[in-house]
Amino acid sequence: AQSVTQLDSHVSVSEGTPVLLRCNYSSSYSPSLFWYVQHPNKGLQLLLKYTSAATLVKGINGFEAEFKKSETSFHLTKPSAHMSDAAEYFCVVKKGYSSASKIIFGSGTRLSIRP
Amino acid sequence: NAGVTQTPKFQVLKTGQSMTLQCAQDMNHEYMSWYRQDPGMGLRLIHYSVGAGITDQGEVPNGYNVSRSTTEDFPLRLLSAAPSQTSVYFCASTPGGQGVDYGYTFGSGTRLTVV
Repeated sequence: AQSVTQLDSHVSVSEGTPVLLRCNYSSSYSPSLFWYVQHPNKGLQLLLKYTSAATLVKGINGFEAEFKKSETSFHLTKPSAHMSDAAEYFCVVKKGYSSASKIIFGSGTRLSIRP
Repeated sequence: NAGVTQTPKFQVLKTGQSMTLQCAQDMNHEYMSWYRQDPGMGLRLIHYSVGAGITDQGEVPNGYNVSRSTTEDFPLRLLSAAPSQTSVYFCASTPGGQGVDYGYTFGSGTRLTVV
């Protein structure tokens, strides 16, 4: 069975410093993995997705994530944080190969940016 | 603008009342789903539909009904509201089919309070 664990419920970084949001997954086969971002009082927006192509995935707003099968990880990074990055981030794993297969959300990581 | 539209954005209900949360998409997506978001729990799947006339239960279906009479609309009905249903509800859609992963498009959410 698939599952996803976000290792930090809250991460705080200073503006201009790197961001690392950690995600570990459990899957019986090669999964599809996603990162979504939710700004306050807004819906969810797709940041990036991994679907068994390149292991380093680039997303919007300068974010990227690396799929590491040996570590069952899909951590989200950004070289330099911006105030507008303050939001909740969700790591998501998909349960099957169809584009309509069910998705499972992690519990979320709240990212705060210090001026 | 194309996307997923949810109404209302905010709602307060009394215990025992019923209501319908509306969700409509204009992207001709086959797959639609409803999630609830509670603090520290990510998003949990309530019900989903893989096409008009087809619905199925998700992780937390109790107390909710859905129907899918058209491709565009996927309303969520609360039969007899309870305080435990206080939550933020998100509707999402994605194209159907195998092999191509488009990710999900989410609505902006409905914040429901049951008193």
